[in-house]
Amino acid sequence: EPEVTQTPSHQVTQMGQEVILRCVPISNHLYFYWYRQILGQKVEFLVSFYNNEISEKSEIFDDQFSVERPDGSNFTLKIRSTKLEDSAMYFCASSDGTGDEQYFGPGTRLTVT
Amino acid sequence: QKEVEQNSGPLSVPEGAIASLNCTYSDRGSQSFFWYRQYSGKSPELIMSIYSNGDKEDGRFTAQLNKASQYVSLLIRDSQPSDSATYLCAPLWGADGLTFGKGTHLIIQP
Repeated sequence: EPEVTQTPSHQVTQMGQEVILRCVPISNHLYFYWYRQILGQKVEFLVSFYNNEISEKSEIFDDQFSVERPDGSNFTLKIRSTKLEDSAMYFCASSDGTGDEQYFGPGTRLTVT
Repeated sequence: QKEVEQNSGPLSVPEGAIASLNCTYSDRGSQSFFWYRQYSGKSPELIMSIYSNGDKEDGRFTAQLNKASQYVSLLIRDSQPSDSATYLCAPLWGADGLTFGKGTHLIIQP
């Protein structure tokens, strides 16, 4: 069964450093998403991406965040200058249509020290 | 402000019984509703989607939607210990980003 994959599973970085989280969405899906979940809190939407551009973003997705689809399979989230409060699980998701079911990857645990 | 309310639990249900999970949401604009299951330390796993008023059944799961009351529920029949998890309600407002509730922690007692 097709699934969303994410790398790395765990990333440790120092405050102020840049990180790139990688995702491979399900192959025939066209819509891609990033969510995050701070430990003990709810899952929060960050951004959605379709046709090589951002279609929606939340208040959390400020100028330190960016997304890119560098090739036909990967979808990345870049955090330019990490802060302690960026420590969270980051989930990538994909769907084959707007409003349709979103399937989540296993997540990347980001720890900022 | 989009709000999704769920009883955080824990909700304790004997094995074999029916577990009933409830969710209310703040905005009538939502057209799509999803239930996800999340085991501790894992990612959300899609269980059910429902788009119109009424019931939708899939195996042991039944989702119920009442848009007028802004209420969606999930019933789990013949509950199994493996159903113990946090269940997340997620309406979809607009085209893209899901808004998740905090989830209900369900415990199935053997």
